Amino acid sequence: KNEVEQSPQNLTAQEGEFITINCSYSVGISALHWLQQHPGGGIVSLFMLSSGKKKHGRLIATINIQEKHSSLHITASHPRDSAVYICAADRPANAGGTSYGKLTFGQGTILTVHP
Amino acid sequence: EAGVAQSPRYKIIEKRQSVAFWCNPISGHATLYWYQQILGQGPKLLIQFQNNGVVDDSQLPKDRFSAERLKGVDSTLKIQPAKLEDSAVYLCASSLGVSALYGYTFGSGTRLTVV
Repeated sequence: KNEVEQSPQNLTAQEGEFITINCSYSVGISALHWLQQHPGGGIVSLFMLSSGKKKHGRLIATINIQEKHSSLHITASHPRDSAVYICAADRPANAGGTSYGKLTFGQGTILTVHP
Repeated sequence: EAGVAQSPRYKIIEKRQSVAFWCNPISGHATLYWYQQILGQGPKLLIQFQNNGVVDDSQLPKDRFSAERLKGVDSTLKIQPAKLEDSAVYLCASSLGVSALYGYTFGSGTRLTVV
């Protein structure tokens, strides 16, 4: 079982729909990252979360530390949101919790939004 | 602020040939990462530098892969000789430090095809 699991793996939506992508992790984390990857490979950092909720425009990210679960929501989806969305666990390098910036990535969710 | 620069964007080589990738991180970013992303999977860390020292290269196939970061700025990743299974996107990322407080900036990646 992967240490970071995303669902769904593929998601198709119509423009305007509310979208949720889920991420579960089985390791201790310093932070949880949501990333966006467009065709061509470049990755853009969307959110870095250690607790609660963050909002940026139409994007909302939440995390529940106790349940080891995070969600990325897109409101009023648009075709330009079509991309691969990846969650990544920022793992401490030792039991003391000091992060060495070790990212463990989920496999990604391919989102396609049709007009 | 300029982003993380990578070159080349694309490379096609025959198996058993050699190839090198270059990364110029954001100015002042002490930590540099090389990731390998095989199609359909999340990125996998190959090597992490802190300034010009190696922090983690546990997943680097050292029989064929090598990386250096002379002077703690630019970095090169080399594959010699390449195998078919090395076909992937090679991503470079940089971070101001190693704490989870700092985010990551990714380059656009180099897409390698080994034929």
